Amino acid sequence: QQPVQSPQAVILREGEDAVINCSSSKALYSVHWYRQKHGEAPVFLMILLKGGEQKGHDKISASFNEKKQQSSLYLTASQLSYSGTYFCGTETDSWGKLQFGAGTQVVVTP
Amino acid sequence: DSGVTQTPKHLITATGQRVTLRCSPRSGDLSVYWYQQSLDQGLQFLIQYYNGEERAKGNILERFSAQQFPDLHSELNLSSLELGDSALYFCASSVVASGAYNEQFFGPGTRLTVL
Repeated sequence: QQPVQSPQAVILREGEDAVINCSSSKALYSVHWYRQKHGEAPVFLMILLKGGEQKGHDKISASFNEKKQQSSLYLTASQLSYSGTYFCGTETDSWGKLQFGAGTQVVVTP
Repeated sequence: DSGVTQTPKHLITATGQRVTLRCSPRSGDLSVYWYQQSLDQGLQFLIQYYNGEERAKGNILERFSAQQFPDLHSELNLSSLELGDSALYFCASSVVASGAYNEQFFGPGTRLTVL
């Protein structure tokens, strides 16, 4: 079942922060985060496994709340290069079937 | 450049036809994934192969089939094409089948237009 992402879109000024949420109704094995710029392929950001770990990638970090089956992606001090559509992908087991959310469009303005 | 190659880049065909999309994974990657991305459906997982064997299946139609060859390249065959099959088809590859190191590298995609 497809995870639910929120918000659908967010507009930021450079330097502002944002949070993107990804929720599942099923118990999760892992959560993946990807960013896709217009006309390009998705690019991997990070994977979080169940266990509630938090990871970072430059000023982009994420957390995974296993109890809530929810992951959050944090964009801190946003840069123009952060613009794009962010997708979370979830696995409910270790067999590799990744279901993606509908995406969150992020626009960072000067 | 992710290291994953897909051909062709664009494909325009008519309803009822059959097409084959090709994907070469990154050197050393054993897993290949196929995804369909259309405006109203988002990024949909179709199927995964690991070292030549089918490992996971998603919402892949019966008209679609795929395989991974001994040299690890993969092909996605789409037959009896319908207008609704028009989409961007991505291939992705990873070293492992799942888990902490299952970072997937996406190819540039094949844009299929069915007229």
